[in-house]
Formats: sequence, structure tokens, C-alpha cells
Amino acid sequence: SQTIHQWPATLVQPVGSPLSLECTVEGTSNPNLYWYRQAAGRGLQLLFYSVGIGQISSEVPQNLSASRPQDRQFILSSKKLLLSDSGFYLCAWSVPAARHAEAFFGQGTRLTVV
Amino acid sequence: GESVGLHLPTLSVQEGDNSIINCAYSNSASDYFIWYKQESGKGPQFIIDIRSNMDKRQGQRVTVLLNKTVKHLSLQIAATQPGDSAVYFCAEPLHNYGQNFVFGPGTRLSVLP
Repeated sequence: SQTIHQWPATLVQPVGSPLSLECTVEGTSNPNLYWYRQAAGRGLQLLFYSVGIGQISSEVPQNLSASRPQDRQFILSSKKLLLSDSGFYLCAWSVPAARHAEAFFGQGTRLTVV
Repeated sequence: GESVGLHLPTLSVQEGDNSIINCAYSNSASDYFIWYKQESGKGPQFIIDIRSNMDKRQGQRVTVLLNKTVKHLSLQIAATQPGDSAVYFCAEPLHNYGQNFVFGPGTRLSVLP
């Protein structure tokens, strides 16, 4: 069966520090991969998605970047965190080229920038 | 589009009553919809889906209704239990580059004892 791992679960970082959140998927090949952000009490905002190694699309301009160095690894990074980067970050995957398929989410990373 | 700037509406329901959570979508070409449940501090979990060639689909204690005429989805939860307290999102996959998902703003369901 497929599983998705996301870490760390919580993170407190000072303003101006770098960020690296990692997500890996097991049990599937060439998944579509996503990073979402969720501000407290709000909906899900798509940040990045990837359909293959090295293929990253950004949905919103921001202080963050994403990379996919391996087929089932998706990394969210920042060189210098801002206070506004605080939020709940969710990684997700879906079956590629499937017209009717849901996204499967990780358990999320709660990031607090202080 | 995504309504990420909105605060979540809240629905309070007495335990044992039925809950109805609504969602509007804008893309008349959408042919597949998903409901997710998100408990506090966790990632969203799939509840039920429906294709546009159906008006209704039933699961265990949940029913999704689709009205394509007015572009409206609803999630009905029968005999609501405390464990149903969560935020509920509707989502529709887009079929442009890759397969992105657009999520509705979400509704927070609070079950009262």
C-alpha cells in the first residue's frame, strides 16, 4: 500500500533562518506531488506541484521554493524565513494521469516563525 | 478558484442529528468532486467522491449530493457523532498541467453533546 511521510511534525524557526521540509512517498511510482499551506482557520493554498523529477510548478510568488531530487521525494525550502511563512504545511500525492483520483495527504508540519 | 483568504464558516449540530455541509463550485466543466475531513492538527482525509454523471452517492453514514444545474455539492452526515467534529473541504481536480486540486474554503463542524 502507499504511504506518505512528512517531517518534522512541528518546527519553530527564527526570522531569517533557512527552512527545509521533506516529504517522501512509498508504494507508488512517478506520483504527482504537491505542497499546500494552510493558515490558521483557513483553507488550503496550493504552493507547488510536480509531475516528475526536476519538474516544479509554482502557483503563487513567495519566499519559498520546492525541489524534487528523486521520484518520490519532495522538498520545500526557504533561504530566509519571514513571519508570514508561519502556517501548517501539507504534502500530498496523487496518481498521475488519472482523471478521477483523489489526493492523499501527509500529516502536516506546523511551522512557527518567531 | 481557491478561497484561502476566508475564515472558515462553522456549523454546530447536536449529537445524533443530521449534518449538511454545502459547497459551491465555479467550473461547469468539472466532472469529479471529493470531500475531505480534516481533524485538528492532521492532514485532510478522503471521505467520499462523486463523478458528474451521478446526482447522489452514499457511503457509511455519509451521502454526497451533486446539483450540476446550480453547481452545488452537499455532504450529509447521518446521526452526527462527536468524532465527526472536524473541518470539511470539497475539492475538484483540475486537468491542466499535472493534476492540481482546488479546495473550497472549508466548513468547521462542531458536534454539541
